Amino acid sequence: EIVLTQSPGTLSLSPGERATLSCRASQSVSSSYLAWYQQKPGQAPRLLIYGASSRATGIPDRFSGSGSGTDFTLTISRLEPEDFAVYYCQQYGSSLQFTFGPGTKVDIK
Amino acid sequence: EVQLVESGGGLVQPGRSLRLSCAASGFTFDDYAMHWVRQAPGKGLEWVSGISWNSGSIGYADSVKGRFTISRDNAKNSLYLQMNSLRAEDTALYYCAKVFSAIAVADAFDYWGQGTLVTVSS
Repeated sequence: EIVLTQSPGTLSLSPGERATLSCRASQSVSSSYLAWYQQKPGQAPRLLIYGASSRATGIPDRFSGSGSGTDFTLTISRLEPEDFAVYYCQQYGSSLQFTFGPGTKVDIK
Repeated sequence: EVQLVESGGGLVQPGRSLRLSCAASGFTFDDYAMHWVRQAPGKGLEWVSGISWNSGSIGYADSVKGRFTISRDNAKNSLYLQMNSLRAEDTALYYCAKVFSAIAVADAFDYWGQGTLVTVSS
């Protein structure tokens, strides 16, 4: 099983600042099958990034993903008030043995 | 509009069974793999199980293997999760989710339901 580690656990930032979230895998994620989701309280997760760097439909371009192998990054270039939430990475490259990271909470400083 | 509506959750005693359902609409259900993901109260997301479009490929998290069974009925546009030998640690909000690309087995989840709550307690 591929284990995902996310850091930091909590990121305290102000609106307008840049957020950099890290996701590290215990072994290489095949074909960059790495996704990022945003979840707000009381809501289902929302897909932001798939294939490590492709934005999902309707996702603003302030969200970007990068990385390959075992190290991946989600960057939010300028935080908007609605971006304060929990972010999860997910690997889906291991045939029907998917895993999520523990999440990074981005909160208002 | 894609809609996924889960049902079947509730309060159940340890060791008992429960069957969750997910009714899908707004897309060609039998073209897409489907998954179950759960979230314990105040905790993170945990992938539970997934099934390919034609039920030919199925996978389970180690935590539920041998106790849970995923299935689908493409004629009814429905996904199911049979949960047996339930434990307190199975208490969670259970989401069904659709994969992004048709036919793909391994893919991100682009639509999620609102979840159904399962509480395992005596």
